[in-house]
Amino acid sequence: KAGVTQTPRYLIKTRGQQVTLSCSPISGHRSVSWYQQTPGQGLQFLFEYFSETQRNKGNFPGRFSGRQFSNSRSEMNVSTLELGDSALYLCASSLGQGSGEAFFGQGTRLTVV
Amino acid sequence: AQKITQTQPGMFVQEKEAVTLDCTYDTSDPSYGLFWYKQPSSGEMIFLIYQGSYDQQNATEGRYSLNFQKARKSANLVISASQLGDSAMYFCAMREPTTQGGSEKLVFGKGMKLTVNP
Repeated sequence: KAGVTQTPRYLIKTRGQQVTLSCSPISGHRSVSWYQQTPGQGLQFLFEYFSETQRNKGNFPGRFSGRQFSNSRSEMNVSTLELGDSALYLCASSLGQGSGEAFFGQGTRLTVV
Repeated sequence: AQKITQTQPGMFVQEKEAVTLDCTYDTSDPSYGLFWYKQPSSGEMIFLIYQGSYDQQNATEGRYSLNFQKARKSANLVISASQLGDSAMYFCAMREPTTQGGSEKLVFGKGMKLTVNP
């Protein structure tokens, strides 16, 4: 059974650009959640998608957006990149029933220069 | 709001010894889930163990067990027979319940660094 796949693993972008990150969940999992991890703020919840609908949202500016496709794959987009957006972005995959395990991908390390 | 506290910034343990990593949580909801993850320097967040608040028995997964004390609101991770590969950051997390039902939002502690010495 394949795990959670995040692409790309590493990205270097310039301030003002936009970026799209991808997450393919475990087969059968309908929920994908995104997190930002930085040394200063730790792990912070961005948003959760379940059955193509955003079900929860964290406290991030509107530059951070996402979507989920019918096959449960999810993308996260950050527009007008700022230096502070440099972080490890992790996605989590789960059944989406509010119980049971949640599995993470390897993460995408974004560097904004 | 839900909160996770990991007070140990770092711990050292000898190879083959057991170690306990502390985690306390705060919630007023009766239904919640508790997780432990391991994050090596590569950055991947590796699932270790899960405990539901209504689970009667403490969760175990191989060398990992969760010492769940509901009344004390603690969910300590016990690693038996430590291995050099266990050296990593460890995060305790709680699934935040919602009144609507079905939320997968996790609230994380600050993590703690475990170093296993040969």
